[in-house]
This record gives sequence, C-alpha cells and structure tokens, in this order.
Amino acid sequence: DSGVTQTPKHLITATGQRVTLRCSPRSGDLSVYWYQQSLDQGLQFLIQYYNGEERAKGNILERFSAQQFPDLHSELNLSSLELGDSALYFCASSQTPKNTEAFFGQGTRLTVV
Amino acid sequence: GDSVTQMEGPVTLSEEAFLTINCTYTATGYPSLFWYVQYPGEGLQLLLKATKADDKGSNKGFEATYRKETTSFHLEKGSVQVSDSAVYFCALRGSQGAQKLVFGQGTRLTINP
Repeated sequence: DSGVTQTPKHLITATGQRVTLRCSPRSGDLSVYWYQQSLDQGLQFLIQYYNGEERAKGNILERFSAQQFPDLHSELNLSSLELGDSALYFCASSQTPKNTEAFFGQGTRLTVV
Repeated sequence: GDSVTQMEGPVTLSEEAFLTINCTYTATGYPSLFWYVQYPGEGLQLLLKATKADDKGSNKGFEATYRKETTSFHLEKGSVQVSDSAVYFCALRGSQGAQKLVFGQGTRLTINP
C-alpha cells in the first residue's frame, strides 16, 4: 500500500458527461501529480500541484481541470467526455516537488461508452 | 524537453533467464532515474532509483546503474521468476524547472515457467 488513495476505482459514463476523480496523497506529502495511462500512449503527465498551487502542466486537454484543496487532496475534473478519454488515471504524491520519488495510487479506470 | 526511451516489448523469457530492459534518456542537468513496476490490475510501484552518475539502484534482485556517459539506466536481473511478470517503466525526474516525472512507454515482461 503506497498510502495514496484514489476514488472511485472504476467509473463508467456516457459521452458528453462530466466526472470527478479524487486523490488523497500520502500523509505529509504536499505535491500531487496526475497521469493518464492509455493503451496507445503510455503514461502521460497531466498536471502537478504543490501545496494548493499549480506547479506544472503537461498534455492536459482544455476539457480537463484539476485543483488541490487546503487539506491537500486533489480532484481531476473531466468534462464533455469522449470515447478516447477512456483510460487509467493515476495520482501520485511526493513530499515536495524536488523529492526524488513519487508514490502512486491504484488508479481510476474510466470507461466512456 | 526531457524524454525517456525504453526497449520495445513485449519481452518473454523462461524462468531463471537473465533479464535486460534497456532505457536511455535525454535531459538537461542531472536528473534522477527510476524504474517503476506495474503488476496486473495495480498501480505503479517504485522498484529502484539512482540520483547521481555511477549510482547503482537495487531491489528484489533487480539492478540498474546510472551511466551519464551513455545516458542509460538499463534494468537487469540475473534469474527471473514467474512473479516478475509485469510492466516495467523507466522514468526520470529533471533537475531543472518543474522537475516533473517523465516516463518511458513501458515494457511488458512475461516469464514462463
């Protein structure tokens, strides 16, 4: 158990809908990262937060947004969903952005039908 | 930008065979290097890491040496087991800018008894 908790584990929704994925980092970790894992594109970095502030942005679509709350949990919002958004979404956390390793949650498997 | 290239999979070996999974990277400065492993249905787990040139990371019989001259971090294990079947990801954390974690495309390893 990495200590990073993601909910829900599985999500099935229809095209055009909006969903929210939740991540609770390890106790004491201030930095949160979101990744998308699809079959054809491997692990893609989406966005990084540190202590509530956005730190870095990767290949995140405009239909997607995220935030980190004062209690350090983070949410990834995906809207106007398309079939191609079906993927595993991982959250990871580290103590600070400069910490070497990050610890990953079990992921949320999103299926858009 | 920073990038990681892994040998293409899938890789299939017999139990007790020698394993090498190649990984090379492109980065400015002095990145930290990692191998993560993803077992079926699970999230990514840190397998080993190296934070400076000539460091050797090791864990569970796996080893990798940070080679700055060849920009490589190849994963090796002398005698693989069926339980090593998983997807292996090479990754780096840059030493400059946002220092995000960048992953290779992953190598699926299957060990046959």
